[in-house]
Amino acid sequence: DVKVTQSSRYLVKRTGEKVFLECVQDMDHENMFWYRQDPGLGLRLIYFSYDVKMKEKGDIPEGYSVSREKKERFSLILESASTNQTSMYLCASSEPRRWFEAFFGQGTRLTVV
Amino acid sequence: QKEVEQNSGPLSVPEGAIASLNCTYSDRGSQSFFWYRQYSGKSPELIMSIYSNGDKEDGRFTAQLNKASQYVSLLIRDSQPSDSATYLCAVMWGLNTGTASKLTFGTGTRLQVTL
Repeated sequence: DVKVTQSSRYLVKRTGEKVFLECVQDMDHENMFWYRQDPGLGLRLIYFSYDVKMKEKGDIPEGYSVSREKKERFSLILESASTNQTSMYLCASSEPRRWFEAFFGQGTRLTVV
Repeated sequence: QKEVEQNSGPLSVPEGAIASLNCTYSDRGSQSFFWYRQYSGKSPELIMSIYSNGDKEDGRFTAQLNKASQYVSLLIRDSQPSDSATYLCAVMWGLNTGTASKLTFGTGTRLQVTL
């Protein structure tokens, strides 16, 4: 089974802090994604990566950055956390030929206070 | 702005009935369409994909695509309480170049199957 593991299930951070969300997948997938999910807004793509050290902006990249130094690990960074970044963050991975079949992690519920 | 619209529901259907979930999208250039299921408190999982006009069947699930009218639907036959979940419609804009492309998700329709 594909396993996508996010480092934290719940996280509480203060406004202005630098926040790191970590994601690791064990299926040697090339593609990795970061989404956030909010009530009424659905799943929105923040960033994705199709190879090590490669990254592409999604629909809502402002206030975020990413890092992919190793194939299995994709990190989402909130440079200076703000209350409007309180959300459920979902990491996903997929293989190139079935890139649309995203396997999601369990999610990180981030609260910024 | 490219949009994917779904009725948030809840859509309530009795056990054994057909559940019909609908999705409309704004861009005629869309090529590929997907349905994900998300149980409460869980992450989404892919259940159907469709690329051509018409119907695609997989067990109790049928995806229907009408590109001229810009809608895609998911029918669930013989609905079971275990089908109760939120169903997310996802659309890929443009051509698949073979690398990862952007999926745009709708907000999802919550389905409740009652006993």
